[in-house]
Amino acid sequence: QGQLLQSGTEVKRPGASVKISCTASGDTFTTHQMHWVRQAPGQGFEWMAIINLRGGSLNYAQKFQGRLMMTRDTSTSTVYMEVSSLTSEDTAIYYCVLSSYDFPRHWGQGTLVTVSS
Amino acid sequence: DIQMTQSPSSLSASVGDRVTITCRASRSLGIYLNWYQQTAGRAPQLLIRAVSNLESGVPSRFSGGGSGTDFTLTITSLQPEDFATYYCQQSYTTPWTFGQGTKVEIK
Repeated sequence: QGQLLQSGTEVKRPGASVKISCTASGDTFTTHQMHWVRQAPGQGFEWMAIINLRGGSLNYAQKFQGRLMMTRDTSTSTVYMEVSSLTSEDTAIYYCVLSSYDFPRHWGQGTLVTVSS
Repeated sequence: DIQMTQSPSSLSASVGDRVTITCRASRSLGIYLNWYQQTAGRAPQLLIRAVSNLESGVPSRFSGGGSGTDFTLTITSLQPEDFATYYCQQSYTTPWTFGQGTKVEIK
């Protein structure tokens, strides 16, 4: 049974960047895709991006184009997501989600990012 | 983007009640419709994948159905641990989109 372990809570100033990691275990990393989804306080879910873990191809949601970067390290089964030019509207819990054949399989435990001056 | 509309947004029910939540998509999803349960401060738990396939460990009182654009999540005989917020989600295409959630509260 696979699982995803995300990095810990972050507090950032407006204008800063944040880099979150998500490490997979117990599953075949390169046969899947990884998505990032976020949930602002008291709100619903917003899809951000997907990376193909075998070939590394990327697709970002239009609203994040230009300030979102995803990378993967197949040697450690880890995906990184960096969000730049943070504002208070980026305060949210960020989740990585492993998918296979276009279906979700596992969610990470979430990483709280707080953007505050 | 595919719009997902859940109803109701909240409901009050008693232990033992049968509860049905509806999710409507703005286009046909085939089998790419999933349901989640979320309790406060926790990551969403995947309950049902591909319209009606129960995830391992999920009690059989949960069931999913529907086709095309209209889907349902049914909980027969609601239990205390089922009071939570439920979300539908389409994985037909990116961007994945989610319903706004249905909060199931104790009557």
